Amino acid sequence: QVALKESGPALVKPTQTLTLTCTFSGFSLTTSGMCVSWIRQPPGKALEWLALLDWDEDEYYSTSLKTRLTISKDTSKNQVVLTMANMDPVDTATYFCARVIGYDLLDYWGQGTQVTVSS
Amino acid sequence: QLVLTQSPSASASLGASVKLTCTLSSGHSTYAIAWHQQQPEKGPRYLMKVNSDGSHSKGDGIPDRFSGSSSGSERFLTISSLQSEDEADYYCQTWGTGIQVFGGGTKLTVL
Repeated sequence: QVALKESGPALVKPTQTLTLTCTFSGFSLTTSGMCVSWIRQPPGKALEWLALLDWDEDEYYSTSLKTRLTISKDTSKNQVVLTMANMDPVDTATYFCARVIGYDLLDYWGQGTQVTVSS
Repeated sequence: QLVLTQSPSASASLGASVKLTCTLSSGHSTYAIAWHQQQPEKGPRYLMKVNSDGSHSKGDGIPDRFSGSSSGSERFLTISSLQSEDEADYYCQTWGTGIQVFGGGTKLTVL
């Protein structure tokens, strides 16, 4: 069955770079149509899409954050990595990864990992 | 610009039905959307995809009480026989050219 799990630091300092890893099972990111997205949710706020990586290794980014984000994969480990540069306290949020089929069908979510940005 | 609009809140009584709405921005009325449920202190869960013709496909284990429909640029999620565990935030989501978009979410209160 499909499962995704996020991992990364719980606390980062302002200006640092955040690196998050999504480890997944039950599907292959080399299969045509398969994608993984990263989404975040600040405390008490709505979901915000960040980035998507597709089976062809094409990358898509939120317009407002694209200069700070990089998404990549390690196929041998079934992992997708998101880096976000120049972290700020407003980036404090729970970060989720999710499986996406055909770019639009987001059908499985990870449990999320909380990240706090504070000095 | 692709935007999904949701009412911030809704409420209905235990055992009743409720219909939540997600409205697609002008020029995007043919887009399919997905509904996701987020119970308090939990991660989101995929409920279903709703197409422009009103057909829908549900995720694994989603009860029959949940159904989807469409009218023009509006996509609906109907929950019947409301239970206490249906009290949650509900988000719609879609994909445009190179971006994924979420609505602002509707907080459903079960009275």
